[in-house]
Amino acid sequence: RKEVEQDPGPFNVPEGATVAFNCTYSNSASQSFFWYRQDCRKEPKLLMSVYSSGNEDGRFTAQLNRASQYISLLIRDSKLSDSATYLCVVIVDNYGQNFVFGPGTRLSVLP
Amino acid sequence: DAGVTQSPTHLIKTRGQQVTLRCSPKSGHDTVSWYQQALGQGPQFIFQYYEEEERQRGNFPDRFSGHQFPNYSSELNVNALLLGDSALYLCASSLTGGGGYEQYFGPGTRLTVT
Repeated sequence: RKEVEQDPGPFNVPEGATVAFNCTYSNSASQSFFWYRQDCRKEPKLLMSVYSSGNEDGRFTAQLNRASQYISLLIRDSKLSDSATYLCVVIVDNYGQNFVFGPGTRLSVLP
Repeated sequence: DAGVTQSPTHLIKTRGQQVTLRCSPKSGHDTVSWYQQALGQGPQFIFQYYEEEERQRGNFPDRFSGHQFPNYSSELNVNALLLGDSALYLCASSLTGGGGYEQYFGPGTRLTVT
């Protein structure tokens, strides 16, 4: 089993739709979690950290379920500019040294 | 506030050659991590440098080596290039002990091995 797995995608949704991505991780000792977005042929950019209590940033909501070892990202009222690949990231050590990326889920928001 | 910079942006090399990629971290950051990203996949961790030493390493052969300089900039060296080394090489910087583990990525170097 891979350390971090994500919905295979791609997700094609109309503007204004709500879309949810899921990510599962295998190491129960994982400490920190993030969502990054990556535009085509660009570098990953930090979208948001994922906290145990869940967190929200505008149209984006991230949730963590440690018992089930999954992370989710919800995008509400999706915009054309949200089209990108969304990467789930898990830190598996106590020192923040080893980022493990999922394979990414591609989102296309259609007009 | 300068972000993470990498050079060169693109590189074409032949099998068996050696390559050096360079990275300057974001201002105020002291830790540099390197990743390899093949097309259609997520980035794979190569290694991380802190205080001029390799602190942790991913599952990459010894052909991949690195260095960190006193000004925190870093180099990634790959010897005896293989066709499979063709990828986007990403550098990320962070601040050890800064309270969070967020990493910020440079634009990457796209390496093509022919």
